[in-house]
Amino acid sequence: GAVVSQHPSWVICKSGTSVKIECRSLDFQATTMFWYRQFPKQSLMLMATSNEGSKATYEQGVEKDKFLINHASLTLSTLTVTSAHPEDSSFYICSARATGTIDNEQFFGPGTRLTVL
Amino acid sequence: AQSVTQPDIHITVSEGASLELRCNYSYGATPYLFWYVQSPGQGLQLLLKYFSGDTLVQGIKGFEAEFKRSQSSFNLRKPSVHWSDAAEYFCAVGAPGNDMRFGAGTRLTVKP
Repeated sequence: GAVVSQHPSWVICKSGTSVKIECRSLDFQATTMFWYRQFPKQSLMLMATSNEGSKATYEQGVEKDKFLINHASLTLSTLTVTSAHPEDSSFYICSARATGTIDNEQFFGPGTRLTVL
Repeated sequence: AQSVTQPDIHITVSEGASLELRCNYSYGATPYLFWYVQSPGQGLQLLLKYFSGDTLVQGIKGFEAEFKRSQSSFNLRKPSVHWSDAAEYFCAVGAPGNDMRFGAGTRLTVKP
């Protein structure tokens, strides 16, 4: 149980285009989902917290207009990287916290590798 | 605010040797503590977690961790390392109702 999927697993795009990444909780409902960014050989940096039906909360320094997050249902959150540039190339990982959980455990997706040319 | 420190960036051990990965946290109350493992290009897999009860926690793949409040530590241990354990290990801390913060990670290399 507690499986989180991400789609696509990797994407290559041209500079200036937008890319949408999906995060789905497959067998549980997730009121809260998180988006992380991970640079090579570095730790996960929290970008934003998204709660179903409300606006995402962005971490300091993360541009909300560049990284659009939508959490329209209890099983789906999307991250759209708008007008992507080479510096946006990174590994993006989402996680989901099951509704009603008490121990803050997050279940992680397999990640999406974004390369912007 | 909670924070996590993993003092060792890279550790190399021989196969069959014991392993201890260090993790220190900063938080006002007892946090929820986690250890995750990440293989190259993959997502994170939970090894074990602690949020109350017995301070020695058993996880998957033969790993265990001990919560020591007096030292603000949650070190990960394994008595005998296998070559397949080579990966990046992350310690994380979370507070009730809050998000999770990760340490910088420790890369484990296993020598044959």
